[in-house]
Amino acid sequence: DTAVSQTPKYLVTQMGNDKSIKCEQNLGHDTMYWYKQDSKKFLKIMFSYNNKELIINETVPNRFSPKSPDKAHLNLHINSLELGDSAVYFCASSLGTLTTDTQYFGPGTRLTVL
Amino acid sequence: DAKTTQPNSMESNEEEPVHLPCNHSTISGTDYIHWYRQLPSQGPEYVIHGLTSNVNNRMASLAIAEDRKSSTLILHRATLRDAAVYYCILFDDSNYKLTFGKGTLLTVNP
Repeated sequence: DTAVSQTPKYLVTQMGNDKSIKCEQNLGHDTMYWYKQDSKKFLKIMFSYNNKELIINETVPNRFSPKSPDKAHLNLHINSLELGDSAVYFCASSLGTLTTDTQYFGPGTRLTVL
Repeated sequence: DAKTTQPNSMESNEEEPVHLPCNHSTISGTDYIHWYRQLPSQGPEYVIHGLTSNVNNRMASLAIAEDRKSSTLILHRATLRDAAVYYCILFDDSNYKLTFGKGTLLTVNP
């Protein structure tokens, strides 16, 4: 069983479209995250939810909206896609928010905006 | 955010030990030192973490300087599967996040 799964694995779309990426974890964790890895391979946190409550909201355009329907899911919806949104998006989860809590990452979703 | 400094790249031979250094001179007393690695085309993977004492697990060892301003990740016998980017990260407990730097690209030669 995959601990943290994301769908789709690849997403190719046109500028201006709206798309969603789904993430699910079966680890029973309370905290989930979205990260963005750009073409230069820098990995930056975007959002984090703890028990369905938003706790980290980095400087991200408001075209990006996370949604956590329950503790096991954290979806990322992106409106009006732009070329600069092309990147690999990783979902992650951890037991909680302690400094000792390990983060488990999904396999990533490669988004290409044409 | 507390910063870390790592070499851009390192090379090792298979079956030999690898010592990956990390400087974190601005570390605060409560920051944990975490190491993650990212294999090609995969998500990051946890390796090890520590606070003050040296730590060992099945993947690696973490040696932390007495003043905590630097640490070293030790892979005891590198394999080809260990070729990855290794990130040394200080966990910011004031806002619950890992801040990834550029990491060290480890190449393992057969």
